[in-house]
Amino acid sequence: NAGVMQNPRHLVRRRGQEARLRCSPMKGHSHVYWYRQLPEEGLKFMVYLQKENIIDESGMPKERFSAEFPKEGPSILRIQQVVRGDSAAYFCASSPRGLAGGPFTDTQYFGPGTRLTVL
Amino acid sequence: AQKITQTQPGMFVQEKEAVTLDCTYDTSDPSYGLFWYKQPSSGEMIFLIYQGSYDQQNATEGRYSLNFQKARKSANLVISASQLGDSAMYFCAMRQGAQKLVFGQGTRLTINP
Repeated sequence: NAGVMQNPRHLVRRRGQEARLRCSPMKGHSHVYWYRQLPEEGLKFMVYLQKENIIDESGMPKERFSAEFPKEGPSILRIQQVVRGDSAAYFCASSPRGLAGGPFTDTQYFGPGTRLTVL
Repeated sequence: AQKITQTQPGMFVQEKEAVTLDCTYDTSDPSYGLFWYKQPSSGEMIFLIYQGSYDQQNATEGRYSLNFQKARKSANLVISASQLGDSAMYFCAMRQGAQKLVFGQGTRLTINP
């Protein structure tokens, strides 16, 4: 019963390079969320996706950041032309369904995170 | 906008004592969900407990219980009989809108032997 998988766990990039973060949701989960955590802070919502659809991207920076969740394969968070301020932990979470309801549908289960360091 | 406030940046507790971590929230939605997550030093986010706004009883999960006071908009986490392994960051979160979570700043809990 594998949980949410994220890779890589640690990623080092130089300024101007691209970062690609991958997330495989729990089995049976079709909803994926990405969050960013700066040091000593809580998590901040970035984007919510279902298969082949972006549902809510209100937390995504307008430039350089994009996310997808294709029909086949993991969800990808892409950061182009990284800057030092992008250094953070990026967490992916998944849930079974997107409808508000009880604990079964509401609870988001998190992956171990990807720690991005931009040199 | 919805907001979560955790006023205790750090707490120190003796092993085997009970500890209460504070969380207050602000929302105008009648329907919402409240969550607590634990983040140990290894970095992962571990789901602990959930409370729905219409739930009549306080949620409990093993040594964790949620003291839900709706009128005061508080959702404090109570850990009974604390253990050394409980040392971690603890985050209170609220479901905003359809699904996204809003997190507080966290409380760093240290259990002393």
